[in-house]
Amino acid sequence: NAGVMQNPRHLVRRRGQEARLRCSPMKGHSHVYWYRQLPEEGLKFMVYLQKENIIDESGMPKERFSAEFPKEGPSILRIQQVVRGDSAAYFCASSRGTAPRDEQYFGPGTRLTVT
Amino acid sequence: AQKITQTQPGMFVQEKEAVTLDCTYDTSDQSYGLFWYKQPSSGEMIFLIYQGSYDEQNATEGRYSLNFQKARKSANLVISASQLGDSAMYFCAMREGLGGTYKYIFGTGTRLKVLA
Repeated sequence: NAGVMQNPRHLVRRRGQEARLRCSPMKGHSHVYWYRQLPEEGLKFMVYLQKENIIDESGMPKERFSAEFPKEGPSILRIQQVVRGDSAAYFCASSRGTAPRDEQYFGPGTRLTVT
Repeated sequence: AQKITQTQPGMFVQEKEAVTLDCTYDTSDQSYGLFWYKQPSSGEMIFLIYQGSYDEQNATEGRYSLNFQKARKSANLVISASQLGDSAMYFCAMREGLGGTYKYIFGTGTRLKVLA
């Protein structure tokens, strides 16, 4: 019974390159959330997706960031033309439903380092 | 605006003693959930305990209990009989259930160090 999978676990990119972060939710979960954690800070919500739909992207920077959750395959968080300030841990979470009681299960995170 | 406040950046506790980590929240919704997560140095987020806004009893999970005071809007985590493995960052989070998108709002965390 696999949990939330994220890959890669560590990603190093040079300024100006693209970063692609992948997330496979838990089996039976159709709600996916992405969060960003800067060093020594709490997690900040970025985007909430269901299959083929972006439900809430209020936490996503307007430029360079995009997310998708296709009908088949993992959810992807894409950062174009990365800058040093994008260095952070990016966590994906999934849940079965959207009631307050529906716990979000977190993946191990992808640590992005921009050099 | 929805907000979670954790006022203790760092805490120390002696092994085998109990410790309380503070969390206050602000929301205008009547239906919401409160969560605590542990983040060890390895970085993963580990779910500890949940309290619903309509739950009348305080939640307990093993050595973890949640001291929920709705009128004060506080949801403090109590860890009993602390162990060295409890040393980690602890995050309080809130999830709203009406009209929102059910995202978590996290506090800034408390770093707990258990002393031998």
